[in-house]
Amino acid sequence: KAGVTQTPRYLIKTRGQQVTLSCSPISGHRSVSWYQQTPGQGLQFLFEYFSETQRNKGNFPGRFSGRQFSNSRSEMNVSTLELGDSALYLCASSPGGTLNQPQHFGDGTRLSIL
Amino acid sequence: GESVGLHLPTLSVQEGDNSIINCAYSNSASDYFIWYKQESGKGPQFIIDIRSNMDKRQGQRVTVLLNKTVKHLSLQIAATQPGDSAVYFCAENTDGGSQGNLIFGKGTKLSVKP
Repeated sequence: KAGVTQTPRYLIKTRGQQVTLSCSPISGHRSVSWYQQTPGQGLQFLFEYFSETQRNKGNFPGRFSGRQFSNSRSEMNVSTLELGDSALYLCASSPGGTLNQPQHFGDGTRLSIL
Repeated sequence: GESVGLHLPTLSVQEGDNSIINCAYSNSASDYFIWYKQESGKGPQFIIDIRSNMDKRQGQRVTVLLNKTVKHLSLQIAATQPGDSAVYFCAENTDGGSQGNLIFGKGTKLSVKP
């Protein structure tokens, strides 16, 4: 079974731009979550989508948004980029809706803001 | 909720020795816990999980212990190998692992000396 796939792996943007990151979950998984990883703050939960609906949301500003498609693939968008948005963005998937289901992560998209 | 914390940021062990990585959590409502391993340039990799109705769970060379009284979690790695060198994260969830909104600890870097 293929794992979680994230594209692109690396991205360089400038302040004020916007960016869209993509995530393809493990086949059959309906839950997709996004996390931001930085050296200072560690791994922080952004949001989770399940069956095309946002089910949980972390404590991030509205510039961070996402969506999920009918095939469970998900995209994350960040508008008006700031220097502090430089981070590794990780996507994780799980079957969703049942207990004891660990999330499985992709290798992330490294976003650098100049 | 409060984030899960770790006592030690780095741990250096000799190859063949046993390793113990500790984690303290603060949310007494958390009922599902996971350990992840993250190697350089990769996303977190699932190691082992445990529900709050258990005290101990064993996997291949790994054991997770949960002490709910003092809100403490530990990961024991037997016969540590160079390939175990990585950053280890504990994560908690309050929905029995049915939803994808994990709270992560800051991580412990494990260095294995040959």
